[in-house]
Amino acid sequence: NAGVTQTPKFRVLKTGQSMTLLCAQDMNHEYMYWYRQDPGMGLRLIHYSVGEGTTAKGEVPDGYNVSRLKKQNFLLGLESAAPSQTSVYFCASSDPGTGGTEAFFGQGTRLTVV
Amino acid sequence: LAKTTQPISMDSYEGQEVNITCSHNNIATNDYITWYQQFPSQGPRFIIQGYKTKVTNEVASLFIPADRKSSTLSLPRVSLSDTAVYYCLVVSYGNNRLAFGKGNQVVVIP
Repeated sequence: NAGVTQTPKFRVLKTGQSMTLLCAQDMNHEYMYWYRQDPGMGLRLIHYSVGEGTTAKGEVPDGYNVSRLKKQNFLLGLESAAPSQTSVYFCASSDPGTGGTEAFFGQGTRLTVV
Repeated sequence: LAKTTQPISMDSYEGQEVNITCSHNNIATNDYITWYQQFPSQGPRFIIQGYKTKVTNEVASLFIPADRKSSTLSLPRVSLSDTAVYYCLVVSYGNNRLAFGKGNQVVVIP
């Protein structure tokens, strides 16, 4: 049982390039989240989804887009990367049937924008 | 979302019991208190959750006083591998947003 898997694990982008981060979960969870973590800042919520076909903005959504076309996948897109988006990105999922408070996280994607 | 306040960091010696506090003065009636642990270069991991009084599992104990405006996570006899950031969250049951603050960096010293 893989849990939450993020692809890729590392990436270096040039300013202005675009990319998509993929998150896949095999636990049939309805809720999925994308966070970014910067040194000394804790985790900040970028976007989240409460089910297939739905997305919503979190604390820091600017510069990112997301899609949830399939229940098991949650994609995070950067249309035009900026150095300020250099960060570690974490995806998570949770099950509202058990309260939604226990989230399972992926191993993270370390993104550097130069 | 109820805001939480935690100390930024704390040190403890190996073998000691560590108590990590969290303040949540604006907690609502339907809110739960949830704690996560994050090791370096890993995503956070759920540790324990409670509503009131005391909850214990194989990893930790969670103490919540009657007014629920604070909580204490207790780690018994810590080892070096317990060095991590510990996050306290206040979450409504069925909530679709989990807000993490900066957490409490706990360093276990030999």
